Amino acid sequence: AQSVAQPEDQVNVAEGNPLTVKCTYSVSGNPYLFWYVQYPNRGLQFLLKYITGDNLVKGSYGFEAEFNKSQTSFHLKKPSALVSDSALYFCAVRLNSGGYQKVTFGTGTKLQVIP
Amino acid sequence: KAGVTQTPRYLIKTRGQQVTLSCSPISGHRSVSWYQQTPGQGLQFLFEYFSETQRNKGNFPGRFSGRQFSNSRSEMNVSTLELGDSALYLCASTRDTNTGELFFGEGSRLTVL
Repeated sequence: AQSVAQPEDQVNVAEGNPLTVKCTYSVSGNPYLFWYVQYPNRGLQFLLKYITGDNLVKGSYGFEAEFNKSQTSFHLKKPSALVSDSALYFCAVRLNSGGYQKVTFGTGTKLQVIP
Repeated sequence: KAGVTQTPRYLIKTRGQQVTLSCSPISGHRSVSWYQQTPGQGLQFLFEYFSETQRNKGNFPGRFSGRQFSNSRSEMNVSTLELGDSALYLCASTRDTNTGELFFGEGSRLTVL
């Protein structure tokens, strides 16, 4: 079955340290992968996406993600975490559903940056 | 450029009632999707509309329905509300339904008592 998974419910990191939020996928064909962030009581905001090309994708707020086809992963990274990065992060994939593209989200990872 | 607008932002209903939520997409976006977000189930896909046609539907009972108008605005309706329908309902629009990112509204938080 085609799916996307976020194995960690929560990630804690100290301010200034590098952060990684993990995402793995299971799809047939070429995946279109996305990361979104959600702050409390708000909608989701787009961070970055991988469609094709360079495996390292740079996005908003200093975030980047690396597409790894052999490991079927698309981990979100940032070199130096800020307290303001604390939020809920969702990985998503566009899947072909009945001839149309449907977006499926992972279960979300809560990132807590500790001052 | 105005973002995705959802109304109302908050509402409280009682079991058995019905509710209608509205979503105005970004100008030029013809695809509108709806998601239900709950702490236990995460983000669950409800349905997607494109040019007034429902193209995809998630695994929700028939009490959940939607429609899209010619100006791309969309509404979703939930009839015979149950306690478990309490959730944040998110609407998202996109211009490119193949590779484009979704643009989300702030959501409508429904509480069913």
